[in-house]
Amino acid sequence: DIQMTQSPSTLSASVGDRVTITCRASQSISSWLAWYQQKPGKGPKLLIYKASSLESGVPSRFSGSGSGTEFTLTISSLQPDDFATYYCQQYESYSLTFGQGTKVDIK
Amino acid sequence: EVQLLESGGGLVQPGGSLRLSCAVSGITSSSYGMSWVRQAPGQGLEWVSGFSGVSSIYYADSVTGRFTISRDSSKSTLYLQMNSLRAEDTAVYYCAKTAVAGMSFFASWGQGTLVTVSS
Repeated sequence: DIQMTQSPSTLSASVGDRVTITCRASQSISSWLAWYQQKPGKGPKLLIYKASSLESGVPSRFSGSGSGTEFTLTISSLQPDDFATYYCQQYESYSLTFGQGTKVDIK
Repeated sequence: EVQLLESGGGLVQPGGSLRLSCAVSGITSSSYGMSWVRQAPGQGLEWVSGFSGVSSIYYADSVTGRFTISRDSSKSTLYLQMNSLRAEDTAVYYCAKTAVAGMSFFASWGQGTLVTVSS
């Protein structure tokens, strides 16, 4: 299976900060990567697919980049609604795998 | 709007069985992919099993031979039959729909159903 590793595991930030989360794949996955946001007690919400394509309805402060084995999710100006846990997911292989998650909390 | 509603979770003893259901509405085609993804308490997301389009089925190694995924298109329902349950299967189980056919990313998720395996 392709292993996905996110960093950091926890990130403390303030409203208005620029936030970057990194996701690394154990082998090349081209651009077959998605990012999700999850809040407590809720199912995940799709933010980004194909590494950099913004899902309809998702604010433009979210962006994704990368290809091959290294990817980033950037929030350009953190808003109160953005405090949550973020996951990457590869879909290069039919055996889908997720990163372990990055919790963004209030500094 | 796509809606996914899981049911069937509960408390079961180790070695027991449980069948989860996911009612799907707002979709007119059966060519999309559907999967089950679970989340153990306080942990991350783990893909369990999925349909790639109409008939191809895949399982995570951790559940192969114990879990069976199926779908009833006439009822727009996805199922997960779970046998020989273990404590480590305790999790919230989500059904999720891909945006396109195949094993890919998930555009729609249910609210989840909790499965607790304990004596």
